[in-house]
Amino acid sequence: GENVEQHPSTLSVQEGDSAVIKCTYSDSASNYFPWYKQELGKGPQLIIDIRSNVGEKKDQRIAVTLNKTAKHFSLHITETQPEDSAVYFCAAAMYSGGGADGLTFGKGTHLIIQP
Amino acid sequence: GAVVSQHPSRVICKSGTSVKIECRSLDFQATTMFWYRQFPKQSLMLMATSNEGSKATYEQGVEKDKFLINHASLTLSTLTVTSAHPEDSSFYICSARGQRGRADTQYFGPGTRLTVL
Repeated sequence: GENVEQHPSTLSVQEGDSAVIKCTYSDSASNYFPWYKQELGKGPQLIIDIRSNVGEKKDQRIAVTLNKTAKHFSLHITETQPEDSAVYFCAAAMYSGGGADGLTFGKGTHLIIQP
Repeated sequence: GAVVSQHPSRVICKSGTSVKIECRSLDFQATTMFWYRQFPKQSLMLMATSNEGSKATYEQGVEKDKFLINHASLTLSTLTVTSAHPEDSSFYICSARGQRGRADTQYFGPGTRLTVL
């Protein structure tokens, strides 16, 4: 089955700086890669996703890049703000005509924004 | 984004009892719902996939007789933890995928914290 590795487990950055979280996946059949933000005691919220037919996607301060050959993808957050502090999870799945299968998640990155 | 609710948000039960958790898609029809489990400070692990009107598909290692899943309508799926034991204590989270927005997007519920004494 799919295996997703995520690094780092904890990331502390100064407010206003950029944060980068990296993930690798093992199953070359995976073609859908979402990123979720989870706050304490709450369910994950989708922040951005990418399919394997594109290499980069951007939404305001958030961007995701995908290298399908190397089987890795990254989340980039620019101009970080205190409210960005949370646990971030990457995930991978196979997407077919009916939608994506169940997600395989990375272990999460605790992002801490220092004021 | 689409709204998914779970009920209850928190439940404490005695060992040996059964607990039912509901997952509802409030503003869209969910053709597929997923159930995940998350232990403290760990990642989410997929337990099962359920399609409306069909039997659930369980991941390897998940006991289907212990974790009963019913997806009787396009807006409701239930997870029943039967004969719960302390090791079943966890954060159970559902997600729904359906006709709202993009078909590949999974919208997650807020989770249910189960504590088995």
